[in-house]
Amino acid sequence: KAGVTQTPRYLIKTRGQQVTLSCSPISGHRSVSWYQQTPGQGLQFLFEYFSETQRNKGNFPGRFSGRQFSNSRSEMNVSTLELGDSALYLCASTPGTGAYEQYFGPGTRLTVT
Amino acid sequence: SQQGEEDPQALSIQEGENATMNCSYKTSINNLQWYRQNSGRGLVHLILIRSNEREKHSGRLRVTLDTSKKSSSLLITASRAADTASYFCAPWTNTGGFKTIFGAGTRLFVKA
Repeated sequence: KAGVTQTPRYLIKTRGQQVTLSCSPISGHRSVSWYQQTPGQGLQFLFEYFSETQRNKGNFPGRFSGRQFSNSRSEMNVSTLELGDSALYLCASTPGTGAYEQYFGPGTRLTVT
Repeated sequence: SQQGEEDPQALSIQEGENATMNCSYKTSINNLQWYRQNSGRGLVHLILIRSNEREKHSGRLRVTLDTSKKSSSLLITASRAADTASYFCAPWTNTGGFKTIFGAGTRLFVKA
């Protein structure tokens, strides 16, 4: 099976812009989670989607949003980018029920200038 | 889900030695997982131990779980330079879905 894929892998944006990141889970996986990783804050949970519904949410401002499509692919959007949004954004997928191992993608490295 | 706290924060050993890292958590769990992150392979699931298990092995990895002390340990035997990575524990409680709160991890450096 192909692993979790994320696009793009690298992105440079300017403050105030918005960005959309994409995640394609492993085939058959219905749960997709998003994480932000920075040197200062470590790995922080953003949100989790299951069957197109947000099931869990972390403590991030409303500028961070996401969605999941019927084919389980997920996107996350960050509006009005700030310098502090520079980070590695990881997504992870799981079958969603009865399985607990998360399979992570390689991440999208976002740099905000 | 809840946050695990790994200890020590950093560990430096020689190739061939064993490495032990610990994880503590606060409330009851259904299972606990360990993940590894290095620059080459990203964040990878290593092993899962269920709350009714006390010990589990996978290759050179040995995980123990003590639910009475709310702690787990990960032992890597005969370490290799390729084991150099950050290791995270992820205690999982069934609260509906996933909300994994990772700790700061243990940074392991294996010297060749």
